[in-house]
Amino acid sequence: GIQVEQSPPDLILQEGANSTLRCNFSDSVNNLQWFHQNPWGQLINLFYIPSGTKQNGRLSATTVATERYSLLYISSSQTTDSGVYFCAVIGGSYIPTFGRGTSLIVHP
Amino acid sequence: GAGVSQSPSNKVTEKGKDVELRCDPISGHTALYWYRQRLGQGLEFLIYFQGNSAPDKSGLPSDRFSAERTGESVSTLTIQRTQQEDSAVYLCASSLGTGGAYEQYFGPGTRLTVT
Repeated sequence: GIQVEQSPPDLILQEGANSTLRCNFSDSVNNLQWFHQNPWGQLINLFYIPSGTKQNGRLSATTVATERYSLLYISSSQTTDSGVYFCAVIGGSYIPTFGRGTSLIVHP
Repeated sequence: GAGVSQSPSNKVTEKGKDVELRCDPISGHTALYWYRQRLGQGLEFLIYFQGNSAPDKSGLPSDRFSAERTGESVSTLTIQRTQQEDSAVYLCASSLGTGGAYEQYFGPGTRLTVT
């Protein structure tokens, strides 16, 4: 199956800082999503982005499908951004694969 | 406009007992997925249903695990003869279809503790 690697595994920021999270995948995909898992465990959809660039407020994402990676940018981080960020892909097998996540802590 | 719902939110059971977990997908979503998330880990795919097609059970870890879905609505995940290693959060997601072009939307999960 497809392998998904996320980096960094852990990230600690001061409020107001910017960050970039990366997701590498091992094969072509039809579907790529970024999720934020909040401290209560709920998975929140951030972006559906199999290719291209999207922005939503302080967050933006870029997927370069030909090079098999996606980036999630968080600008002017806030304490409420804390949690785990997951990248999930679906390839030709239609079976979703999640990365191990990036754990983000934003200090006030 | 309700989202994906799951019940119960928490379940504590004794080793060896059977448990049933329920998932109500978003109305109109034909695809439904079950995942397991152990503490501090990523999501592990278990099974998915797509409309009336046979489910893909390739992620089920053992024959103690099974799932059913009635048409394009409710799904139940059953774990027989629970073991302590089954302790985890079980998450359900639904989407308009499988493969590309369809976002998954997640429920809040069921936290299962096997004592």
